This record gives sequence, structure tokens and C-alpha cells, in this order.
Amino acid sequence: SAVISQKPSRDICQRGTSLTIQCQVDSQVTMMFWYRQQPGQSLTLIATANQGSEATYESGFVIDKFPISRPNLTFSTLTVSNMSPEDSSIYLCSAGARNEQFFGPGTRLTVL
Amino acid sequence: AQSVTQLGSHVSVSEGALVLLRCNYSSSVPPYLFWYVQYPNQGLQLLLKYTSAATLVKGINGFEAEFKKSETSFHLTKPSAHMSDAAEYFCAVSEAAAGNKLTFGGGTRVLVKP
Repeated sequence: SAVISQKPSRDICQRGTSLTIQCQVDSQVTMMFWYRQQPGQSLTLIATANQGSEATYESGFVIDKFPISRPNLTFSTLTVSNMSPEDSSIYLCSAGARNEQFFGPGTRLTVL
Repeated sequence: AQSVTQLGSHVSVSEGALVLLRCNYSSSVPPYLFWYVQYPNQGLQLLLKYTSAATLVKGINGFEAEFKKSETSFHLTKPSAHMSDAAEYFCAVSEAAAGNKLTFGGGTRVLVKP
């Protein structure tokens, strides 16, 4: 199994600002993903973080709003740019392979 | 395209009673199926997974699920509910053709009554 940590665990931000969330895995993994969980909702995939190349975004998510980096096989960042109150959510990182994905504890973001 | 439907957004059970959470999936190829649990203010924890081996899968905390291809279902059960089972449960599917990403159902919140 893989142990995933995220920083920060929570933050309160002002609208118009940006926040970068870090995801660290304790072992090398082939796949890393970023999900959003809006209040009282299920998880929605934002993008697949590809090592050494641009992330692959799902419909409704764009790179300008959610830039993602993955410089190596154990680390990724997600930036939430030009935030609005609608971005208030839990952002979760996951990592693993097809037969098993592990999740970080999430970053709880509140935008005022 | 893959999709998951969880019947019932909320389920209330008495302590000691059977827990049954329903999940139906849609997939163009044999899928991998998962159940995750989310406790309040925490991330997701994998309960169990189906990866084309045995159709009856046993997981942690006394949970099990049965893959039924003819019914495209993967229902989660636990014979006797415990107060600590109160949480939100998510069914998810992944396909290699979809880049192995997970598609989640809407979730079922379980309340356990003493």
C-alpha cells in the first residue's frame, strides 16, 4: 500500500487569490490523480497528473484554473487559481495502479 | 463510458442489524470495482475491491461485496452493524480504457441507531 500526505490540511483564503496543494507519496507510483469533493457531494476527478508531461484534464476543468505539476513519481501539486467561494471544497490526491488507488487525507478549502 | 449508481443517499440501520448498500455500474469492458469509506473530516479508505478474481470479496471491518455480472451490481454488506460503521460509503469503477481513473457513485451515508 501507499501512504499519501497532503499539505495544507485546511485553509481559509480570500477570493481572487491562489492556493497550491502538495501531495507526497511514500513510494513511487505510476498514477496520480486529483479529485474535488464539493460540500455534501461525491468525488469528481479534476485531472490525471502525468509525470514529465502536461496533466490530462476532465471535462469542465481547465489548466488555467487548476494548474498541476508532477516533477517525479512521488510528488504532485495542484493550484487553485483566482479563487471564488464556489471553489470551497475538499481537494483529494490519489495514487496507485489500476487495481488499487489510495487517497490522501484531503485539503479542506474555504474561500471567503 | 463508465458510470456508477448508488441507490439510496442515506441508510439508517439499528446496531446489530444487516447493512446493505447497493451499487450498480455501467462499463463497456469487465471493470475493476471498489468500495471506499469516508469517516467525518477524513480522506477515503479502501474497504474492498473486485479485480476479476473471486466474485465474493471480503474486505476490512467485516464488510464483503459480491460481483454479479448479470445484474451489473456490486452490493456491499455487513451482517451486523456497529456504531463505528457510521460513515459515508462510495462505490467506484475503473477501466483501463478510461485511463484507470475512478468514477464514483453519489455516495451513501450510513446512520447507525443504538
